[in-house]
Amino acid sequence: NAGVTQTPKFQVLKTGQSMTLQCAQDMNHNSMYWYRQDPGMGLRLIYYSASEGTTDKGEVPNGYNVSRLNKREFSLRLESAAPSQTSVYFCASSEEREGGTRRNQPQHFGDGTRLSIL
Amino acid sequence: DAKTTQPPSMDCAEGRAANLPCNHSTISGNEYVYWYRQIHSQGPQYIIHGLKNNETNEMASLIITEDRKSSTLILPHATLRDTAVYYCIVRVGPARGNMLTFGGGTRLMVKP
Repeated sequence: NAGVTQTPKFQVLKTGQSMTLQCAQDMNHNSMYWYRQDPGMGLRLIYYSASEGTTDKGEVPNGYNVSRLNKREFSLRLESAAPSQTSVYFCASSEEREGGTRRNQPQHFGDGTRLSIL
Repeated sequence: DAKTTQPPSMDCAEGRAANLPCNHSTISGNEYVYWYRQIHSQGPQYIIHGLKNNETNEMASLIITEDRKSSTLILPHATLRDTAVYYCIVRVGPARGNMLTFGGGTRLMVKP
C-alpha cells in the first residue's frame, strides 16, 4: 500500500549545489504536484503535471525545474540551491484531470523531503 | 477559490466526538469543500470532500449547511492519534493550477 513515495527523506546541501527530488506514485493517477511548506505556513504549489508529458508552473516556480518522466514519476530539480529553498517538499498525486468526470478528486501526499541548504 | 475561516485550536476528550467547524460564506456554486489533516512531520492526509450533500466515510462525516456557507467535520470517536492540524479547503478543480490553498487550520488536541 505504498501510495506516493518520496526520496530522499532528508538532505543537506551547500549553497550552489544541485539535486533532484524523486517522487513516484502507484495509484495510476493522472495529475502530480510538488509543494513546499515553510515553518508555520501552509503548502505552496511549485509545479504540477496534469498528465504525462505536460508540466505547468504553480505559485512559486522560480529556482526549480520538473520532469514528468512517465505516468508514475515526477521529479523536482534544484539547479543551484539557495538558503531560501530550505523547506519541506511534498509530492502529491490525484486522479483529477480536466474535462470528463474526474474533475474534483482529492490529492494524496507523500511523507515529504526535508531539505536544508547551508 | 473561496476563503475559509476555522478556529485556531480545539480540544476534545478521547472517545468523544470531535466537531470541527469551518466558515466559507463566499463559496460559489461549483466549489467543493475538502478536509485534510496534517499530523506533525507527515504529509497532509485527505479525509473527505463534498459539494452540497452530507458525506460519510470510514474516517469522518462532513455536514454542509443548506446554504453551503459553513460545514462541520465530525470525527465520531476521537483517539489520541487524531491529534493534528485540520484544514478546510474550498476549491473548484482542476482550474487555476490545481492549487490547494491551506490556511491556518484548526489544531485539534485529543486528550486522555
